[in-house]
Amino acid sequence: ETGVTQTPRHLVMGMTNKKSLKCEQHLGHNAMYWYKQSAKKPLELMFVYNFKEQTENNSVPSRFSPECPNSSHLFLHLHTLQPEDSALYLCASSQGPSGGSGSSYNEQFFGPGTRLTVL
Amino acid sequence: GQQVMQIPQYQHVQEGEDFTTYCNSSTTLSNIQWYKQRPGGHPVFLIQLVKSGEVKKQKRLTFQFGEAKKNSSLHITATQTTDVGTYFCAGPQNYGQNFVFGPGTRLSVLP
Repeated sequence: ETGVTQTPRHLVMGMTNKKSLKCEQHLGHNAMYWYKQSAKKPLELMFVYNFKEQTENNSVPSRFSPECPNSSHLFLHLHTLQPEDSALYLCASSQGPSGGSGSSYNEQFFGPGTRLTVL
Repeated sequence: GQQVMQIPQYQHVQEGEDFTTYCNSSTTLSNIQWYKQRPGGHPVFLIQLVKSGEVKKQKRLTFQFGEAKKNSSLHITATQTTDVGTYFCAGPQNYGQNFVFGPGTRLSVLP
């Protein structure tokens, strides 16, 4: 499946590093998402973008900074992370709009994820 | 807080046995979605239910959405080794304000 791609697939970084995760979708969708999946918690929705506009930010620490330059690309900029931020970071896309009062989420297509380790 | 629970957390079955996982939300869901994640893979969408009391079938899989739109179930008949993975339910709580995933049920199928 190549509908949603993520790079890099694996990343090891120190707590003082700055890195970025990239996601690209080739499905013509309007909504894109960042999720965090760790062993001890359910899949957590971090950010939602509809038509390049951020519509949800679920109390994510400021050391995670998303960027959505267009409907096909999504970035997650990382800086001064903590070891507990080590997890699988998944990107997803769907036909929008999604989120917000009175709307509903459509089927989401996930990328393969980036396995992040913070030392 | 608002959350979605799933039981059981783990299930080991012999190939050919049936399997059911249950999903319960603390609040009403606009719709319920089910995803499957194979070991080492990423979640893959299976189905979406929207109407109260809705039942949908996909070959050996049967999905139900509760009348109150707060619970759902996934039933697999005659499991196969290809059914191995973690099954997640997910949905928009609070009239679409929050999209949450359940913790998943990990299914192991012994040949």
